Amino acid sequence: DAKTTQPNSMESNEEEPVHLPCNHSTISGTDYIHWYRQLPSQGPEYVIHGLTSNVNNRMASLAIAEDRKSSTLILHRATLRDAAVYYCILRRNFGNEKLTFGTGTRLTIIP
Amino acid sequence: DVKVTQSSRYLVKRTGEKVFLECVQDMDHENMFWYRQDPGLGLRLIYFSYDVKMKEKGDIPEGYSVSREKKERFSLILESASTNQTSMYLCASSPPRGPLHFGNGTRLTVT
Repeated sequence: DAKTTQPNSMESNEEEPVHLPCNHSTISGTDYIHWYRQLPSQGPEYVIHGLTSNVNNRMASLAIAEDRKSSTLILHRATLRDAAVYYCILRRNFGNEKLTFGTGTRLTIIP
Repeated sequence: DVKVTQSSRYLVKRTGEKVFLECVQDMDHENMFWYRQDPGLGLRLIYFSYDVKMKEKGDIPEGYSVSREKKERFSLILESASTNQTSMYLCASSPPRGPLHFGNGTRLTVT
């Protein structure tokens, strides 16, 4: 299974953009890149996903490298409510639906 | 909105007891998953199911079994609970290749 690598923790100031990196050097051509976040005392929630092109939604933007070996989740203007653990995972477009989460990046927002 | 409901938020059981953790989803999703979450270890996949009566082992299936008799319900069974199964258990559902929707978790303590 393709793996992802994320920094254990990051800090950012409130109201500034945040760039959360993820490396996935063994990604296959049909793997989608998914991002989830987990707020304290809650289950993870879906944030965004993409295949090749950059993606935007109301929560965040996803920038995918041209070679697809890395991606960056962008929070355009961080708020205190964005403090969470962020997970980057790969999801196959065929076959086995086994989904493995790593330990994610714990994002701290400084007021 | 998709709702994934886990039957208990907190559960305390004794060593050797048979434990049932129930999960129900209301969006007719084909896929359902059980994860456990421990500090420093992230989310680890125990079992998943892609259809009624179908199941696949995840990364840590030892000591667990599952049951999916109806599409909306996925049960995790600890045949003989042990203290090392004290953990947060998270259930999720998804359509094929779609985003996962998580419940809020069951914190199980085995004494």
